[in-house]
Amino acid sequence: QVQLQESGPGLVKPSETLSLTCTVSGGSVSSGSYYWSWIRQPPGKGLEWIGYIYYSGSTNYNPSLKSRVTISVDTSKNQFSLKLSSVTAADTAVYYCAREIKGIAVAGNLNYFDYWGQGTLVTVSS
Amino acid sequence: QSVLTQPPSASGTPGQRVTISCSGSSSNIGSNTVNWYQQLPGTAPKLLIYSNNQRPSGVPDRFSGSKSGTSASLAISGLQSEDEADYYCAAWDDSLNGHDVVFGGGTKLTVL
Repeated sequence: QVQLQESGPGLVKPSETLSLTCTVSGGSVSSGSYYWSWIRQPPGKGLEWIGYIYYSGSTNYNPSLKSRVTISVDTSKNQFSLKLSSVTAADTAVYYCAREIKGIAVAGNLNYFDYWGQGTLVTVSS
Repeated sequence: QSVLTQPPSASGTPGQRVTISCSGSSSNIGSNTVNWYQQLPGTAPKLLIYSNNQRPSGVPDRFSGSKSGTSASLAISGLQSEDEADYYCAAWDDSLNGHDVVFGGGTKLTVL
């Protein structure tokens, strides 16, 4: 059974960089079958996709966050990480890591998140 | 403002059938598959439906999905109290700004 676990500081000061790590167990980030994503959810609000990384290091980011986001992968530790720079109170959210399956179906592009971490709340405040 | 549009709330009584709609555009639902996630209170989202109408192993067949044009729907039959949760639709979006995953704003389902 694949499990993902987020870790990192729960409090970040405005203008600083948010850093989180997702540790994967029961599966490998080096598998070419999956992508590894970050998704966030502000308190009481909906979900927002941040971006994904492939084991090769290839990335794709949400255009609205692209200038501030970096996702990296450490295959030796079976982890992937998120860095979000110049944070403001608007970045306060529960941050989830997830495994993403992508492909091509007759009906169009196929992509979905089949395993999720439990989430970690990051508060941006001085 | 979410790219995909869902009603903020829905409700039903035990045993009833309820549907939740999700409206998008040609750049997302119209050209890509739709997924649905269930988020029980205080927990992470869980994959409920993928590729428009496929259920992952372990998801009861009371849950079904469909898609037509630029809209999709989630149907829950034989409503149970444990179905009370937030439901989100999602799809890949190919827009001029880039390519990304977009979600609906979520629908809070109440079992009366």
